[in-house]
Amino acid sequence: NAGVTQTPKFQVLKTGQSMTLQCAQDMNHNSMYWYRQDPGMGLRLIYYSASEGTTDKGEVPNGYNVSRLNKREFSLRLESAAPSQTSVYFCASREYNSNQPQHFGDGTRLSIL
Amino acid sequence: QQQVKQSPQSLIVQKGGISIINCAYENTAFDYFPWYQQFPGKGPALLIAIRPDVSEKKEGRFTISFNKSAKQFSLHIMDSQPGDSATYFCAARTSYGNNRLAFGKGNQVVVIP
Repeated sequence: NAGVTQTPKFQVLKTGQSMTLQCAQDMNHNSMYWYRQDPGMGLRLIYYSASEGTTDKGEVPNGYNVSRLNKREFSLRLESAAPSQTSVYFCASREYNSNQPQHFGDGTRLSIL
Repeated sequence: QQQVKQSPQSLIVQKGGISIINCAYENTAFDYFPWYQQFPGKGPALLIAIRPDVSEKKEGRFTISFNKSAKQFSLHIMDSQPGDSATYFCAARTSYGNNRLAFGKGNQVVVIP
């Protein structure tokens, strides 16, 4: 049982390049989330999808777009990468409106030069 | 605006000692308070959680203490072990709607032998 799988694990980009981070979950969860983690800042929500077909902005959505491709997959796109987007990105999923916790992937470490 | 404030930022504890991490929140609509544990290179994982109808919850060496009137909750790690060295995040959310978690900034705990 893989849980939440993120690809790639590491990536280096040049400023201005575009990239899509992939996330897939096999727990049949309705809700999925994208966070970024920066030193001293904790986890900040970028975008989330409460259920298939819906997406909403979180705390720090600028510079990102998302696609909820189906119930399993939720991708995060950087259209024109900037050095300020250097971070570790985590995807999470949970069952909507339940007492169950969020389950996280192991992250994508992204460096933008 | 940080909805959940966590202190201290880092903590060094001797093996066998007690680690204590404190969190404070403002939103009285929060009714679920989890603690996540994160090891280097991994995503956060749920450690223990509490609801405001109880003042304490214990699971093994980990205990959450909750003070509803003060809007504070804390994590106590008893008999701290080197394997407990990790980053700990407190969080809070409401039980209705999309269940977005508000995270604290994290606390790095180092347990020295």
